[in-house]
Amino acid sequence: AQSVTQLDSHVSVSEGTPVLLRCNYSSSYSPSLFWYVQHPNKGLQLLLKYTSAATLVKGINGFEAEFKKSETSFHLTKPSAHMSDAAEYFCVVSDSRGSTLGRLYFGRGTQLTVWP
Amino acid sequence: DTAVSQTPKYLVTQMGNDKSIKCEQNLGHDTMYWYKQDSKKFLKIMFSYNNKELIINETVPNRFSPKSPDKAHLNLHINSLELGDSAVYFCASSQAITAGGELFFGEGSRLTVL
Repeated sequence: AQSVTQLDSHVSVSEGTPVLLRCNYSSSYSPSLFWYVQHPNKGLQLLLKYTSAATLVKGINGFEAEFKKSETSFHLTKPSAHMSDAAEYFCVVSDSRGSTLGRLYFGRGTQLTVWP
Repeated sequence: DTAVSQTPKYLVTQMGNDKSIKCEQNLGHDTMYWYKQDSKKFLKIMFSYNNKELIINETVPNRFSPKSPDKAHLNLHINSLELGDSAVYFCASSQAITAGGELFFGEGSRLTVL
């Protein structure tokens, strides 16, 4: 079975300081992992994805995430937060077996607040 | 050009009514989805269609009926609306049905049932 746990429902940082959003996953097979961002009243947008290539994945807007199989983690980081990063972030796992028809499992989200 | 567009964006209606939400994608993708986001922001898949064929049908009341007239459109019809149906419904599309495919989401349709 596949699942993700986002360890923090809310994270607050000051502008210019680092961001860390934590995600642990559970997967019976080699997973594909994603981070999506949702700005207020908007749809979700893909930030980055891991699909068994390099374990350090770079995404848009300066975000990156590292796949650590030993820790079953896929934490999202950014060196310096910007006001425009304030949004809801979702960690997502997908079973890599082709037969599962692309079913995605969403975490419950982490609300990032950025203070000026 | 909006890649995945949903209408209406807001929908307020009374219990017991029937309503529809329309979705269109101009990305040329083969697969389309409906997701429900509850008041706590939890997202759950409801349906997915691949080339007009129903692929995923989660445990959703049969008051919800998706229809895909062609692979660029996936509509959601809801009969006999209940208070618990209040949520934001997102349409999405992807190139392929298998894992690793990026999903492109619409901006959501906020349904409020009074």
